[in-house]
Parts: sequence; structure tokens; C-alpha cells
Amino acid sequence: TQLLEQSPQFLSIQEGENLTVYCNSSSVFSSLQWYRQEPGEGPVLLVTVVTGGEVKKLKRLTFQFGDARKDSSLHITAAQPGDTGLYLCAGRGSNSGYALNFGKGTSLLVTP
Amino acid sequence: NAGVTQTPKFQVLKTGQSMTLQCAQDMNHEYMSWYRQDPGMGLRLIHYSVGAGITDQGEVPNGYNVSRSTTEDFPLRLLSAAPSQTSVYFCASSYSPGLGTEAFFGQGTRLTVV
Repeated sequence: TQLLEQSPQFLSIQEGENLTVYCNSSSVFSSLQWYRQEPGEGPVLLVTVVTGGEVKKLKRLTFQFGDARKDSSLHITAAQPGDTGLYLCAGRGSNSGYALNFGKGTSLLVTP
Repeated sequence: NAGVTQTPKFQVLKTGQSMTLQCAQDMNHEYMSWYRQDPGMGLRLIHYSVGAGITDQGEVPNGYNVSRSTTEDFPLRLLSAAPSQTSVYFCASSYSPGLGTEAFFGQGTRLTVV
């Protein structure tokens, strides 16, 4: 199993603040995905990054894949209460076959 | 579209009982998998299948069995429930296990073993 470490584990901020969540590994990943999970629901895909150095934007969310394809970050600009949830990174390693490995997640709370 | 449907949503079992968690998808996806989610542990892969008749073990397979007789269904069987199997179980499917393929998740089954 190729480990993905996420930080911070918990984050509580006020509406309008910016934040960054990190996903790191000692292994190279052929692709990395970010999912968001709301209470009582399954995770839902936000983005997939494939190329080292790739940057993708989804409205106020900016995702970056490290040049060495071992790490990724999620930056949220001007957070809103609707951004509250559990953010999970997941990767398929170059040697892990079919397994989609998940980090432990970052629990984000945005208060008005 | 129904997507991935899991039943039941909630279940309480006594230690030693057996049960089957059902998972069905209507997207004609070849790849299906089962995860368990525990506080502070993230999602851990239990078993997966790359097509009908083919299954394999994930990270935490002990105490669980699976089979894949059709493309649509991928049930997870608990043979003799233990308190350590108290968790939220998620079934997921994807078109293929390949690079960057999106995984679609069910709403989960919350299982408590007493």
C-alpha cells in the first residue's frame, strides 16, 4: 500500500478566509484525485491530476500536482460555509495495480 | 440515474452473526470495490473486482468475502461479525481501474456490531 499523508487533519476557519490542504507521499503516483465527502454521503470526485506540475482550477478551488508526482495541494480562496466537508486525496500508484489508495482526509469547517 | 446503490443504510448485528451488504450499479462499470471508513483512518480497501467472476483482496480483507456473478452486483459478506467490524462501508464503481478514472460511491452502510 502506497501511503498518502494529508495535513492538516482538522481545519476550522471563518467565511472569507483562504486555506491550503496538503497531500504527500514518498511514492510516485501515476494520477491523483481529490474527493469531497459530506456527512452521511459517499465521496464525490472534485478533480484528477495526471501530469507533474499540473494546476487545475475549479471555481474557487485550485489543485496542484507536484513536479515529482509525489504530492498535491488544494487551495480554497474565500472559503464559504458550503465548502464544509471532508477532503480526501486518493492516488493510483505506478506499481499498485488497481488499488485506489486514500489519505485519511482533512475535515474542514467554515463558519459564517 | 441511480448510480451506485447500497443496502441497507443502517444495520446492527450481534457478535458472531453473518450478513451480506448489497451493492448494485447501473452504469455498466467493470471495476467495483468495497471500502471501510473508520474515524481517523480514512478509506481502506477491503476487496475489489475487475469484472464478473474476478475478485481480489485489498488492504483489509480478513473477515470478509465477496463474489461477482454479474457486472451489476458486488455483495460483501461478513462471515462472523466482530465488534472490530463496526464501521461505515462504502461500495464504489468505475468504468475501469485505469489512470484518472472517476470512482462513484454509494451512500454507505453504517454497521454496528455489539
